[in-house]
Amino acid sequence: NAGVTQTPKFRVLKTGQSMTLLCAQDMNHEYMYWYRQDPGMGLRLIHYSVGEGTTAKGEVPDGYNVSRLKKQNFLLGLESAAPSQTSVYFCASNSGQGSSNEQFFGPGTRLTVL
Amino acid sequence: GEDVEQSLFLSVREGDSSVINCTYTDSSSTYLYWYKQEPGAGLQLLTYIFSNMDMKQDQRLTVLLNKKDKHLSLRIADTQTGDSAIYFCAEEVKGFQKLVFGTGTRLLVSP
Repeated sequence: NAGVTQTPKFRVLKTGQSMTLLCAQDMNHEYMYWYRQDPGMGLRLIHYSVGEGTTAKGEVPDGYNVSRLKKQNFLLGLESAAPSQTSVYFCASNSGQGSSNEQFFGPGTRLTVL
Repeated sequence: GEDVEQSLFLSVREGDSSVINCTYTDSSSTYLYWYKQEPGAGLQLLTYIFSNMDMKQDQRLTVLLNKKDKHLSLRIADTQTGDSAIYFCAEEVKGFQKLVFGTGTRLLVSP
């Protein structure tokens, strides 16, 4: 049981390049989330999904797109990377059941945009 | 909208108690959470409290909730160097399965 995994772990892009970050979970969770973490700003929600085939905007969605074609995967895309998107990106998932609604986090992807 | 605030830094000596404070805005939150982030890692749930509780104790951790003042605190007794990490407070956005996180408090424990 790997939990939540993210690929890649690190990436350096040039301004204008595109890339896709992959998040996978093997816990059969309905809900999945993409956050970015910046110094002094905590975690901010980019997009989230409440089930396969669904996506919704979070707090800071501009410049990002997402897809949830399979329940276990949640992809985050940057079509034209900008230096302001330099950040650490975390994926999380949640079963939506149970007593605590705990979110389980992946290890993060550190992205630098030059 | 929802907003969660925390102080950025806390420094304590090993063996002392640490108290990390948080204020939140959404009075309808069902759960409030404390997550821990160790260097280079993702966040892990440390503990949580249901909104109809005032206090929750879990080994060295004590969570206090003051709903009137919308204030949440995390007390770590007998703080160890391994407790050095960033601690995030989070409130649940009711009905949306979303969390709003605070800025995080970096706890530094010195020997």
